[in-house]
Amino acid sequence: LAKTTQPISMDSYEGQEVNITCSHNNIATNDYITWYQQFPSQGPRFIIQGYKTKVTNEVASLFIPADRKSSTLSLPRVSLSDTAVYYCLVGDKLTGGGNKLTFGTGTQLKVEL
Amino acid sequence: SQTIHQWPATLVQPVGSPLSLECTVEGTSNPNLYWYRQAAGRGLQLLFYSVGIGQISSEVPQNLSASRPQDRQFILSSKKLLLSDSGFYLCAWSRGPTSADEQYFGPGTRLTVT
Repeated sequence: LAKTTQPISMDSYEGQEVNITCSHNNIATNDYITWYQQFPSQGPRFIIQGYKTKVTNEVASLFIPADRKSSTLSLPRVSLSDTAVYYCLVGDKLTGGGNKLTFGTGTQLKVEL
Repeated sequence: SQTIHQWPATLVQPVGSPLSLECTVEGTSNPNLYWYRQAAGRGLQLLFYSVGIGQISSEVPQNLSASRPQDRQFILSSKKLLLSDSGFYLCAWSRGPTSADEQYFGPGTRLTVT
C-alpha cells in the first residue's frame, strides 16, 4: 500500500495562495490521489481527487506530475476559515473488497490576517 | 440524500468497562462501511471495514471488534476498555470498493477512558 508524507504544518495569510505538497513514492498504477480537509472535532471532508495531470473544482486545484509520485493541493486566496488539517492520501483496493484509505498525519494549515 | 449518524457524540468510560458505538447510514444501500480512530493530534487510523452484512475485516489487532448486523448499521464494541482506547472515533461510508470512491464521514464520537 502506498504511503504518503506531507509537511506537518504551514502558515499563511488571508488572500494568499497555499500549495501543500504530498509525496507518495510507492503509488500503485490504480491508485487515485485524494485530499481531505478536517476541522477540529469533525470528520474529514472531501476536497478534490485526481489520477493524473491537473484537476480543478470550485475550491481547489490538484496538480499531479507524470510520474504520479507526488501531488500538490493548491488553495487559491485562502481565508481564516481555511485553517484546518489537510490530508493527502492514496487508496488501494483491499484484498477482501472495499477501499482502504490510510490517512497520514496531515498538514496543519494556519491562516492569519 | 444520504446521511450518516453516529452516537453517542461524547462518552466517558472507566477502564475495564464495555463499549458500544453505533453508526447508521440513510439514503443508500449496500454501502462500504469503515471505522477509524484518531488519537489526539494524530492522523486517522483505519480499524475495521465492511463490504456487506456480516463481512468484517480488521486492520489493527486490538481489543476492539466490529459487527454489521444490518446493511446500513455498523457497530464498534469492546468488552474491556483500555486507557489507550481514548480518541475520536469516526464512521464512514462509500458507494463502491475502489479508491476513486469518496468516503463520507459521520460526526464522530469523542471517547475518554478514565
